[in-house]
Amino acid sequence: GAVVSQHPSWVICKSGTSVKIECRSLDFQATTMFWYRQFPKQSLMLMATSNEGSKATYEQGVEKDKFLINHASLTLSTLTVTSAHPEDSSFYICSARVPGTGDSYEQYFGPGTRLTVT
Amino acid sequence: GQNIDQPTEMTATEGAIVQINCTYQTSGFNGLFWYQQHAGEAPTFLSYNVLDGLEEKGRFSSFLSRSKGYSYLLLKELQMKDSASYLCAAMDSNYQLIWGAGTKLIIKP
Repeated sequence: GAVVSQHPSWVICKSGTSVKIECRSLDFQATTMFWYRQFPKQSLMLMATSNEGSKATYEQGVEKDKFLINHASLTLSTLTVTSAHPEDSSFYICSARVPGTGDSYEQYFGPGTRLTVT
Repeated sequence: GQNIDQPTEMTATEGAIVQINCTYQTSGFNGLFWYQQHAGEAPTFLSYNVLDGLEEKGRFSSFLSRSKGYSYLLLKELQMKDSASYLCAAMDSNYQLIWGAGTKLIIKP
């Protein structure tokens, strides 16, 4: 099956610093990747849709200048949390849409990155 | 507006059967997904339904009724490892997933 990796799996940073999270599709080309945030005991919240070679589409309420998304290639999308604050501490998950087969538009998820801002 | 409803928590016994229901309201519809998520981990794909009826995959089955905006996930022969959250997600006309809050399933011996 399709494999999506994410790096790092966890990170602790100081308030005011920036953190970059990488999402890679390992055995397929992903024209579309998604970035989610999940707080404890809550469902996934879509932050943005990342399309290769174009600007990301951000969901309402998500600051695009704070959460920088770059989808520079068909296998890599990055999320940079700039000037992180403790309230940004969360579980960040990326997913990639697998193209083709039956129009299922199935999404495969990376393992997630747990960010703690101190 | 778009909305997904599923129970917050369910409890079942090892070896038994449990049905997790999901109702949805979306702008357009391009299918219904079920994902399993263990605590601290990312979701993993379980099933996809776009046509009415039951799809069986081993111990797990998923049912869809488009006219009723209703789906369920059926888990048979429950095992302790099935303790997890089960997320229902409907895909709207823009092929965007609308997520439910998840159902936490607790399996007791």
